[in-house]
Amino acid sequence: DSGVTQTPKHLITATGQRVTLRCSPRSGDLSVYWYQQSLDQGLQFLIQYYNGEERAKGNILERFSAQQFPDLHSELNLSSLELGDSALYFCASSRQDRVTEAFFGQGTRLTVV
Amino acid sequence: AQSVSQHNHHVILSEAASLELGCNYSYGGTVNLFWYVQYPGQHLQLLLKYFSGDPLVKGIKGFEAEFIKSKFSFNLRKPSVQWSDTAEYFCAVNIYNQGGKLIFGQGTELSVKP
Repeated sequence: DSGVTQTPKHLITATGQRVTLRCSPRSGDLSVYWYQQSLDQGLQFLIQYYNGEERAKGNILERFSAQQFPDLHSELNLSSLELGDSALYFCASSRQDRVTEAFFGQGTRLTVV
Repeated sequence: AQSVSQHNHHVILSEAASLELGCNYSYGGTVNLFWYVQYPGQHLQLLLKYFSGDPLVKGIKGFEAEFIKSKFSFNLRKPSVQWSDTAEYFCAVNIYNQGGKLIFGQGTELSVKP
């Protein structure tokens, strides 16, 4: 157990819908990262938050957004879903802004039908 | 753009065989390097990491990796694999002073035959 909790574990939804993925970081970690893992793109960095503020942005679509709340948990919102958004979404956390060691959650498997 | 290449997509070995998985990155500045393992149905776990110092780093479960700066490489090794090492292995790079994002390679699937 990494200490990073993601919910839900599985999500099946239809095209055009909107979903929210949730991540609770390890106790004491201030940074949260979101990654997308798909068969064709591999593991891609989406976005990083540090202590409530956006710190770095990767290949995140405009239809996707994220935030980190005062209690440090984070949510990734995916809207106008397309079939190609089906993937495993991982959350990771680290103590500081820069990564000395990132701990990953179990992931949320999103299936868009 | 910075990238990470893992040369082997799928490696099949018998138990007790030696393992070497290649990893190269494209960035000329200071980097931090990581190897993660993902067992079937599980989250990514850190095997080992390199920030500075001795370029030969030892990790968990008998794995080690060598950083060769001149070759931009960070290859993972294990002298004798076990069936329980069957998993997917990811090399990752963090660019120093560019926040905490990790750039991952495509992964290498390792299958160990008992």
